[in-house]
Amino acid sequence: NAGVTQTPKFQVLKTGQSMTLQCAQDMNHNSMYWYRQDPGMGLRLIYYSASEGTTDKGEVPNGYNVSRLNKREFSLRLESAAPSQTSVYFCASSEANGQNGYTFGSGTRLTVV
Amino acid sequence: QQQVKQSPQSLIVQKGGIPIINCAYENTAFDYFPWYQQFPGKGPALLIAIRPDVSEKKEGRFTISFNKSAKQFSLHIMDSQPGDSATYFCAANSGTYKYIFGTGTRLKVLA
Repeated sequence: NAGVTQTPKFQVLKTGQSMTLQCAQDMNHNSMYWYRQDPGMGLRLIYYSASEGTTDKGEVPNGYNVSRLNKREFSLRLESAAPSQTSVYFCASSEANGQNGYTFGSGTRLTVV
Repeated sequence: QQQVKQSPQSLIVQKGGIPIINCAYENTAFDYFPWYQQFPGKGPALLIAIRPDVSEKKEGRFTISFNKSAKQFSLHIMDSQPGDSATYFCAANSGTYKYIFGTGTRLKVLA
């Protein structure tokens, strides 16, 4: 049982480049999330998908877009990367309504130079 | 009102000590309070959680104490071990999809 799988694990981008972070879960969870983690800032919600076919902005959505491809997969896209987007990105999933906590992936460490 | 304030930012204890990490919140609609443990290079993992109808919950060496009137909750790690060295996050949820996370406490347990 893999849980939440994120790819890639590491990425270096040049300013202005684009990329997509992939996330897949095999727990039949309805809800999926993208967070970024920065030193001293904790975890901040970028976007979430309460259920297949819906997406909503979180706390820090600017510069990002998401796609809930199906129940299993939720991708995060950076259209034009900026150094301020250097961070560790975590995908998570949960049962409906977020109760009983999240299951997180192992993260993508992104550096924008 | 949506914040969860976590302290201390970092903590060093000797093996066998009892580190205590505190969190405070303002939103009385929060009704689920989990703690997550994160090892370097890994994602956070759910450690233990409490709902406000109880004042304490224990799972192994980990205990959550909850003070509803003070709007505070804390994590205690009994007989701490070097393997407990990690970053700990508290969080709060009000029955929605979104959690509010504390800023994290980096714990180091010395051998």
